[in-house]
Amino acid sequence: GQQLNQSPQSMFIQEGEDVSMNCTSSSIFNTWLWYKQDPGEGPVLLIALYKAGELTSNGRLTAQFGITRKDSFLNISASIPSDVGIYFCAGRRTGANSKLTFGKGITLSVRP
Amino acid sequence: ETGVTQTPRHLVMGMTNKKSLKCEQHLGHNAMYWYKQSAKKPLELMFVYSLEERVENNSVPSRFSPECPNSSHLFLHLHTLQPEDSALYLCASSQDQGNTEAFFGQGTRLTVV
Repeated sequence: GQQLNQSPQSMFIQEGEDVSMNCTSSSIFNTWLWYKQDPGEGPVLLIALYKAGELTSNGRLTAQFGITRKDSFLNISASIPSDVGIYFCAGRRTGANSKLTFGKGITLSVRP
Repeated sequence: ETGVTQTPRHLVMGMTNKKSLKCEQHLGHNAMYWYKQSAKKPLELMFVYSLEERVENNSVPSRFSPECPNSSHLFLHLHTLQPEDSALYLCASSQDQGNTEAFFGQGTRLTVV
């Protein structure tokens, strides 16, 4: 079945550092999404990508839709303590009723 | 405020109890979803409703019974659950079933004892 791979499971960085996460698949996806989930909350959509090669920013966050359509990257610049949480990638293939497939998520910790 | 509200936020129930989870969306969306989130696993899609019709049931045990009385409300009725059903249950909505951007509620943390 379709799977999205996110690794490592956890990342630890120092406040102020930049961090990059990627999401890969053996299948082609036509849409990539990045969500963040805070403890005890539901996932919140950060960035949506719709075209191969697309690079989109949202404040300190930048995400790219890989050229092969099998991967996506999320970069967070100048991290701050409130960036802690779980970052999920999600992808959707073609088809009007295709489902979103989620990765397992990466837990980000930011040391002050 | 995401526009998708779930109640209760936390629920502890015994294996013989019957309870219901509620989801309400204020976004004017036509599609609603139930997901199960367990530790260290990807989000698992349980049910999909489009225009109040159930369009997908991902092999979910019958002890979970969804109900969508209108496009703004979605329920998940629970009965005779097992401890392994303990998880965070997330409701989401999107403009239409094929629309990519899904918006999630805050979830209900369910513990089955």
